[in-house]
Amino acid sequence: GQNIDQPTEMTATEGAIVQINCTYQTSGFNGLFWYQQHAGEAPTFLSYNVLDGLEEKGRFSSFLSRSKGYSYLLLKELQMKDSASYLCAVRDSNYQLIWGAGTKLIIKP
Amino acid sequence: NAGVTQTPKFRVLKTGQSMTLLCAQDMNHEYMYWYRQDPGMGLRLIHYSVGEGTTAKGEVPDGYNVSRLKKQNFLLGLESAAPSQTSVYFCASRPPPDTGELFFGEGSRLTVL
Repeated sequence: GQNIDQPTEMTATEGAIVQINCTYQTSGFNGLFWYQQHAGEAPTFLSYNVLDGLEEKGRFSSFLSRSKGYSYLLLKELQMKDSASYLCAVRDSNYQLIWGAGTKLIIKP
Repeated sequence: NAGVTQTPKFRVLKTGQSMTLLCAQDMNHEYMYWYRQDPGMGLRLIHYSVGEGTTAKGEVPDGYNVSRLKKQNFLLGLESAAPSQTSVYFCASRPPPDTGELFFGEGSRLTVL
């Protein structure tokens, strides 16, 4: 079966750095995505990795290792508005997205 | 620019009732999707469409039907609602070429009693 694993909840301090991990087992791989979802709102796109390595976009970076079936989202200089759920999704061989259950990130002052 | 708009935002149904959720996008996107989101689970694909007049089943299609008569609209129907269909429903769209980014509507919260 296909599976995406990420921690259910994480807590971090304002101004700090946090790393959210995602491991996956899917039938084929055509890219990994990270989305942010504030409570009661729609998911919004953060990043897309298809090749191994680090993609940096402002305070957010995403890393991929295809051989390990592993990705992480790194958030720097955390702000209170970063409190949200972070969804990891993998596009499989049929070009369908398989979604993880999301990691709820709580930022404390 | 409205993006992706879903109606209604909230609805309460009794078991056995029918209803239709409407998704409208003004970005001229070819691909449209209906997902459901339940606590502790990832988004699950119900049905999708790769263009006007086409639809296909996703991961959890049972109990739902869809239609894409116009490019900008994607309708999700529940013919006989069941409590197991209580969920938050999200519509999403994306253009070709595939950038990987999905554009989501604000969601529709459906409760079936």
